[in-house]
Amino acid sequence: DVKVTQSSRYLVKRTGEKVFLECVQDMDHENMFWYRQDPGLGLRLIYFSYDVKMKEKGDIPEGYSVSREKKERFSLILESASTNQTSMYLCASRSSGSGTDTQYFGPGTRLTVL
Amino acid sequence: SQQGEEDPQALSIQEGENATMNCSYKTSINNLQWYRQNSGRGLVHLILIRSNEREKHSGRLRVTLDTSKKSSSLLITASRAADTASYFCAPLRYGGSQGNLIFGKGTKLSVKP
Repeated sequence: DVKVTQSSRYLVKRTGEKVFLECVQDMDHENMFWYRQDPGLGLRLIYFSYDVKMKEKGDIPEGYSVSREKKERFSLILESASTNQTSMYLCASRSSGSGTDTQYFGPGTRLTVL
Repeated sequence: SQQGEEDPQALSIQEGENATMNCSYKTSINNLQWYRQNSGRGLVHLILIRSNEREKHSGRLRVTLDTSKKSSSLLITASRAADTASYFCAPLRYGGSQGNLIFGKGTKLSVKP
């Protein structure tokens, strides 16, 4: 079974702190994604990566950065957390192989910024 | 990237009834996927239908795809309380950032025992 794990289920941080959200997948997937989910807004894509050291902006990258130093790990970084970044963060991975378009999600990290 | 839009936003039914959710999208696609999300959890893949398919079944799930109308529907038959969740569609078109799955706001299904 594909497994996508996220470092924390719940996280509370203070405004201005640097926050790292870690995501690890165990299926050698090339593609990894970070979404945030807010009531009434659905899931929005923050950043994605097609390969190691490669990153692309999604729809709402402002205030975030990412790092992909190893294939299995994709980190989301909030350089200076703000209260409007309080949200549920979901990581996902997907293979690039033909006919393997299923995306696998982690359990989510609920981040509260005070 | 293209997004699917689910309809209705919320649906409340009794256990044993069928639940139908709809999805519309705007451009051509290679396939369309449906996902389910239990409250406060990650999304789980349910079913994928390719652009050259019109209907697909998986257990109590039936998905249809009408590429001429750019729409899809998900039918859950004989619903159970455990089906209570949010359901999302995700159209996919290959190629660059088009190959990203973009999710809408989902349909929140409540199945009452």
